[in-house]
Amino acid sequence: KAGVTQTPRYLIKTRGQQVTLSCSPISGHRSVSWYQQTPGQGLQFLFEYFSETQRNKGNFPGRFSGRQFSNSRSEMNVSTLELGDSALYLCASSLDGALSYEQYFGPGTRLTVT
Amino acid sequence: AQKITQTQPGMFVQEKEAVTLDCTYDTSDQSYGLFWYKQPSSGEMIFLIYQGSYDEQNATEGRYSLNFQKARKSANLVISASQLGDSAMYFCAMRGVQTGANNLFFGTGTRLTVIP
Repeated sequence: KAGVTQTPRYLIKTRGQQVTLSCSPISGHRSVSWYQQTPGQGLQFLFEYFSETQRNKGNFPGRFSGRQFSNSRSEMNVSTLELGDSALYLCASSLDGALSYEQYFGPGTRLTVT
Repeated sequence: AQKITQTQPGMFVQEKEAVTLDCTYDTSDQSYGLFWYKQPSSGEMIFLIYQGSYDEQNATEGRYSLNFQKARKSANLVISASQLGDSAMYFCAMRGVQTGANNLFFGTGTRLTVIP
C-alpha cells in the first residue's frame, strides 16, 4: 500500500507570493490533516478535512486555507507569504476520527520564504 | 486544553541498552489517545505506538513499549535494545474527543542519540 505523498518536497518563494501544497493520502483514508513544523513553535495543527469538508481548524490566520477533493487528495494554500511561514508542512491521513486510528504522515514539504 | 510536556530536549544511550523518553500530559477529556512518533532527519513522522486512555494494559510494539500511568498523567516511551537507526527526534502526542476528531497536540520532542 502506498504511503502518504506530498508535492513538492522543497519550495522557495519570496515574500508576498502565494503557494499551493499538495497531499495524496493513503488509499481509503478519508481524513487529511495538515501541520506546520518550525524550530520555534514546534508542530502545530493547521486544519483537517474529512469527506471534502473542513472538520477542524487550528489557530492560524486566514492566509492559510485548504480544500479536499472527492478522491481525498488535499491541497493547502498560503497567500501573501511572510518570512515566518518558512517551515516544514506535514500532511497526515487516517481512516476517520476515531481515537485509536493513527495518523500516517507524508515526507513533508519544506517551504523557504525569502 | 490539551498539553503535552517532554522535559528532555536530548538523550544519549549506548547501543543495545534500553532508554526511556518522558512524556506527561494534561487534558480535561475522559477519553483520549496517546501516540509516539519518530522523526528522522529526513523529516517524515513515523508512527511508533498508541495507548488509549481506557486501555488497561501498556501498549507494546516490538522494541517499543509505552509505560502508561494514568493517575500521574504520564506516557513514557521505552525503547529496548537501542540501535544506531533509533537516533532521531521523538514526539509524544495526544488526541482527545472534545477537541475535535483528528488534531494531534504534540510535545516539543526529545532528540535521541544512540552511541556505538
